Amino acid sequence: DAKTTQPTSMDCAEGRAANLPCNHSTISGNEYVYWYRQIHSQGPQYIIHGLKNNETNEMASLIITEDRKSSTLILPHATLRDTAVYYCIAAKSNSGYALNFGKGTSLLVTP
Amino acid sequence: AAGVIQSPRHLIKEKRETATLKCYPIPRHDTVYWYQQGPGQDPQFLISFYEKMQSDKGSIPDRFSAQQFSDYHSELNMSSLELGDSALYFCASSLKNLAGGPGELFFGEGSRLTVL
Repeated sequence: DAKTTQPTSMDCAEGRAANLPCNHSTISGNEYVYWYRQIHSQGPQYIIHGLKNNETNEMASLIITEDRKSSTLILPHATLRDTAVYYCIAAKSNSGYALNFGKGTSLLVTP
Repeated sequence: AAGVIQSPRHLIKEKRETATLKCYPIPRHDTVYWYQQGPGQDPQFLISFYEKMQSDKGSIPDRFSAQQFSDYHSELNMSSLELGDSALYFCASSLKNLAGGPGELFFGEGSRLTVL
């Protein structure tokens, strides 16, 4: 799997958009970009994933650059409950392959 | 909706003992993953099974073994426990995504193992 690089930590004011960047410059053509988050000691939670196109769901938006070497997860209106560690993962397309959690970004949403 | 069920939620063992963790995936999910998360660490992939066959293997110690049964539940067996095995163990399940991609992994609440 391609290595991903994320900032160690970020702050965001409640109600503002949180933009979490991720670099994956060695991503291969069959690797998707996945985002998960983990709220303290809970099981990781899926947020969104994409291959080439930008994606949006009820939780977040995922913007992938045209060359696919980086992406940004956007939480449009961050709340205190969004405080968590966010993981960006590049993963292959076959079921059963591991999602390897690297060093994520610890996002702190402040009042 | 049914979630991934892990048992036991908490387990305390002595060094050199054996422990077994169980995971019941979401109904109709065909893939199970095991992760280990030590204190202050990120989740580390151990092993996965797809349709009862081992699919992928990560940093699982030789002292550990796992399998997926005919009803799709999975068990992680850990022998000769060491202090360093103290961790949260997460199980996740998914359904093969015919459109591509591993699909969304649904994680359980974890089993906390403490080795004394």
